[in-house]
Amino acid sequence: DIQMTQSPSTLSASVGDRVTITCRASQNIRSWLTWYQHKPGKAPKLLIYKASTLEIGVPSRFSGSGSGTEFTLTISSLQPDDSATYYCQQYNHYWTFGQGTKVEIK
Amino acid sequence: VQLLESGGGLVQPGGSLRLSCAASGFTFSSYTMSWVRQAPGKGLEWVSAISGSGNNNYYADSVKGRFTISRDNSKNTVFLQMNSLRAEDTALYYCSKDDEVDGGYNDDWGQGTLVTVSS
Repeated sequence: DIQMTQSPSTLSASVGDRVTITCRASQNIRSWLTWYQHKPGKAPKLLIYKASTLEIGVPSRFSGSGSGTEFTLTISSLQPDDSATYYCQQYNHYWTFGQGTKVEIK
Repeated sequence: VQLLESGGGLVQPGGSLRLSCAASGFTFSSYTMSWVRQAPGKGLEWVSAISGSGNNNYYADSVKGRFTISRDNSKNTVFLQMNSLRAEDTALYYCSKDDEVDGGYNDDWGQGTLVTVSS
């Protein structure tokens, strides 16, 4: 089974800050990785697929990078609406989510 | 795309429940459908997936042998039959559409249906 490890588990940042979340895969998943934003009481929202492709309608302050086993999600200028939990997910072999990163606004 | 889950509820340990997800707004048989759950206070966990044709089924180890995924392409509906339920199966269950006929990522999601396993 492929394990996905996200870091940090929580982060607190100010509006306008640059925020980076890291996701590591236990084996090579090439670029088969997505990032989701999840807010309480709502369905998860797809942000990025294939490691770096921005989903239509997602603000350009979100970006993804990486391949193989190391991936990052970057929010270039944190906005109040970005308060949420972010998950990476591999879909190279079956599907596995990371444990999530809760982003809080200071 | 619209995905509407139903069938959740309260069930005793060892009991069974069948979840349904009615889909609309896309060519249902052309896409893999998945179930993902979130236990209270926990993260997202992939549970099961089924290819567009229904010929290929996939399960997480935590539910293998207890849960069965199926689909009716004539009714644009995917099902999750859950047997031998345990307390740890308590969760909000989301239905999602994947982006390929067999595999891919979850690109659309329903609002979820709550399953509570408790005596």
